[in-house]
Amino acid sequence: ELKVEQNPLFLSMQEGKNYTIYCNYSTTSDRLYWYRQDPGKSLESLFVLLSNGAVKQEGRLMASLDTKARLSTLHITAAVHDLSATYFCAVVPKETSGSRLTFGEGTQLTVNP
Amino acid sequence: KAGVTQTPRYLIKTRGQQVTLSCSPISGHRSVSWYQQTPGQGLQFLFEYFSETQRNKGNFPGRFSGRQFSNSRSEMNVSTLELGDSALYLCASSLAGYSEAFFGQGTRLTVV
Repeated sequence: ELKVEQNPLFLSMQEGKNYTIYCNYSTTSDRLYWYRQDPGKSLESLFVLLSNGAVKQEGRLMASLDTKARLSTLHITAAVHDLSATYFCAVVPKETSGSRLTFGEGTQLTVNP
Repeated sequence: KAGVTQTPRYLIKTRGQQVTLSCSPISGHRSVSWYQQTPGQGLQFLFEYFSETQRNKGNFPGRFSGRQFSNSRSEMNVSTLELGDSALYLCASSLAGYSEAFFGQGTRLTVV
């Protein structure tokens, strides 16, 4: 059974600081997704990583994928309050046809002024 | 362009009843997946439909079923509702299931 683990689960940081969220998964995969969820809202797609070594950046967020280590990271640079949300990674096993995302538990990020 | 549309947004049902939720994907998207989100279990995959066929299925009891129509719209049905079925039900659409998946606003189901 595929397991996806995120850490930390809770992250409180100050504005202007940098931090990294880690996503480990237990089976071979070359499809990894990052989503953001605000309280009471749906999931917003942030990044799709489809190959080993893939790196994508949008604003203060940068995501990377190491399929050999079965690890993805979401790096936050110079955090601002607007980044406060819950971040999920999701993985699709390599042998899966189509879409069947297994999600991590989520990292609840709070950025304090 | 229009996003993924789920209806209704909120629903209150009584134990033992059944419920049908609807999802209209982004135009041109042929894959629709359904997920259940609860505080205790997190986000769990229910099933995926592609070209009117169920392509993937999660580990949920047979009370949970779905279908997809020729216009790619999908419905999810839950029969004999239990209190534990209270959750946010999310659907996601993608072109063919291998690329970016976009989520709808969800249907908040409360079973009393």
